[in-house]
Amino acid sequence: QKEVEQNSGPLSVPEGAIASLNCTYSDRGSQSFFWYRQYSGKSPELIMSIYSNGDKEDGRFTAQLNKASQYVSLLIRDSQPSDSATYLCAVIKGSQGNLIFGKGTKLSVKP
Amino acid sequence: GAGVSQSPSNKVTEKGKDVELRCDPISGHTALYWYRQSLGQGLEFLIYFQGNSAPDKSGLPSDRFSAERTGGSVSTLTIQRTQQEDSAVYLCASSSQGAIGTEAFFGQGTRLTVV
Repeated sequence: QKEVEQNSGPLSVPEGAIASLNCTYSDRGSQSFFWYRQYSGKSPELIMSIYSNGDKEDGRFTAQLNKASQYVSLLIRDSQPSDSATYLCAVIKGSQGNLIFGKGTKLSVKP
Repeated sequence: GAGVSQSPSNKVTEKGKDVELRCDPISGHTALYWYRQSLGQGLEFLIYFQGNSAPDKSGLPSDRFSAERTGGSVSTLTIQRTQQEDSAVYLCASSSQGAIGTEAFFGQGTRLTVV
């Protein structure tokens, strides 16, 4: 089992819709979870961090964490064409601090 | 500095040459990560430094790759006897890790091309 797994997509949603991105992780001891956005040819940019079970909202973005199911998700409301990018899920492995990334999900928002 | 700085931005080298890639983390950040990203692929973990602890080198793909971090700040990734498969973008990130890891921020990357 891969340490951090994401559906590679592409995920295509119409403008204004909700985009739902999912991620599972294997290390039950992990405590820190992150979502990054990466535009083509650019470095990853942090958009959300989450440490506790439940939801965390920031503007149009909501991160959801379920440690029992080892599952992290990112919801993007009112999706815009500018949200088209690859979204990377990242997890601090256990308590060691090694930051492991999933392969990323490519999101395409169609006008 | 204001952000993570990597140099050079681009490097073209001949097969068999050695290269050094530099990363200046955000001031005060104790954790530093190196990743490699090949075209169209995900981030491949290479090495992780945290304070004065021994680095986690478990991601280094071969003994041609090494990295050091001097004075807990600047880090250099060295690739010896470069091969064409080493061509990729090398990304550095830093974070100020507390009891629970905090956010990591990336530099702009070094695009390495081995010809």
